[in-house]
Amino acid sequence: DAGVTQSPTHLIKTRGQQVTLRCSPKSGHDTVSWYQQALGQGPQFIFQYYEEEERQRGNFPDRFSGHQFPNYSSELNVNALLLGDSALYLCASNSRRDTGNTIYFGEGSWLTVV
Amino acid sequence: LAKTTQPISMDSYEGQEVNITCSHNNIATNDYITWYQQFPSQGPRFIIQGYKTKVTNEVASLFIPADRKSSTLSLPRVSLSDTAVYYCLVGDGAGGKLIFGQGTELSVKP
Repeated sequence: DAGVTQSPTHLIKTRGQQVTLRCSPKSGHDTVSWYQQALGQGPQFIFQYYEEEERQRGNFPDRFSGHQFPNYSSELNVNALLLGDSALYLCASNSRRDTGNTIYFGEGSWLTVV
Repeated sequence: LAKTTQPISMDSYEGQEVNITCSHNNIATNDYITWYQQFPSQGPRFIIQGYKTKVTNEVASLFIPADRKSSTLSLPRVSLSDTAVYYCLVGDGAGGKLIFGQGTELSVKP
């Protein structure tokens, strides 16, 4: 049973560029959330997708956008990259049908903006 | 969403039992309590989840008193590989929005 998988694992972008990160949820999960984790900090919630719609959003600017596909996989897009966007981006998934809605995380995508 | 408070750091020695307590005074009726372990540069790993009383799995136990305003993660006989940051979170999960605090940095020494 594959867990949450993310790609790419590492990438380097230049300030002002755009980036797309991808996530496949754990088998059987229908809800995907994205988190940003800066060095030395706890993860910060970006947004959540369920039934291909954004359901909740954290305190992140519109430069951060996402998408969920019919197979429940998801993308996180960040436009006009800033140096401060350098972080570990985590994808998490859960199933709303499960008691407790346990959330599982992927290993993350390390983004460095130079 | 309920906020949590836990010690910033703890030290232990190999073979000891470690108990990390988390306070969540504003926990809601529908909220579950979930603990995660995170190693540097890796995603948080699910350890254990509970609603009330005691839950045990192959790696840890979770003790939750009747008022549910706190919880204690118990790690039996820790090893060096248990050195990590441990996060306590509360929520119903359906929203997917977990509020992470600073976590507890556990250091296990030989």
